[in-house]
Amino acid sequence: DIVMTQSPLSLPVTPGEPASISCRSSQSLLHSNGYNYLDWYVQKPGQSPQLLIYLGSNRASGVPDRISGSGSGTDFTLKISRVEAEDVGVYYCMQALQAHSFGQGTKLDIK
Amino acid sequence: QVQLVESGGGLVKPGGSLRLSCAASGFTFSDYYMSWIRQAPGKGLEWLSFISSSANTIYYADSLRGRFTISRDNARNSLYLQMDSLRAEDTAVYYCAGRYEKYYYGMDLWGQGTTVTVSS
Repeated sequence: DIVMTQSPLSLPVTPGEPASISCRSSQSLLHSNGYNYLDWYVQKPGQSPQLLIYLGSNRASGVPDRISGSGSGTDFTLKISRVEAEDVGVYYCMQALQAHSFGQGTKLDIK
Repeated sequence: QVQLVESGGGLVKPGGSLRLSCAASGFTFSDYYMSWIRQAPGKGLEWLSFISSSANTIYYADSLRGRFTISRDNARNSLYLQMDSLRAEDTAVYYCAGRYEKYYYGMDLWGQGTTVTVSS
C-alpha cells in the first residue's frame, strides 16, 4: 500500500501571506504515461471535500490561480500565494496510482 | 444539477449490518468510476473502496478485511456499500465520490455524506 505523509499538520497563516503544504508518498506516483497521480482536496468547515488539483499540477474547475500544485515522483507541494479567509479548511493529498490513499490532512487557519 | 446523494446511515449495534446507497443525477453515471470514503469524528479522510464503471474492477482498503462490499446498478444510477460485522470504529460520515472514467480529472464529484453510528 502507498502511504501518504503530509507536513505540517497545522498551518496558521496571516491573510495575504503565502502558505505551503508538503506531501510525500512511500512510492513514486509517476505513471508510465508521464503523469503523477496525485490530487489535492480541501474540506472547508461543515462541507464535503472538494477537488483542488489533479495529476499533481492541474487546477480543477473554479479553483483560483493563486492555488497551485507542483512536484513529481514522491514529493509534492501545494502552494497558496496569498491566503484569504475563504481558504480556511483541512487540505488533503491523495494518491490515485494504486487504488487510493489520503494523507493525514493539514489544517489551515487564519492567525 | 450534478448531484450525489448518500442515504442509509443510522444507528446500528456492534456486529450488525447496514447498506448505504448513493444516488447519482445530472450526469451519465455509467461513465464514472466511484469510490466510498469515510471520515471518523474529528479524523481525516479514509478511502474504503473503488468500483469501475462496469463493475469489473473493484478494490478495497486492507483495513476492511472483507467486511464491506461495494456494488453499483447503472440502470438505477446508484452505488451501494454493504457493511457487515460493524464495529465501533466504523462510526463515521460516509461519502461517495466519482471520477470520469475516460480521462483522469480527479474525484470531482462528492456527496454530502451519510452518518453511521455503531453503538450498543
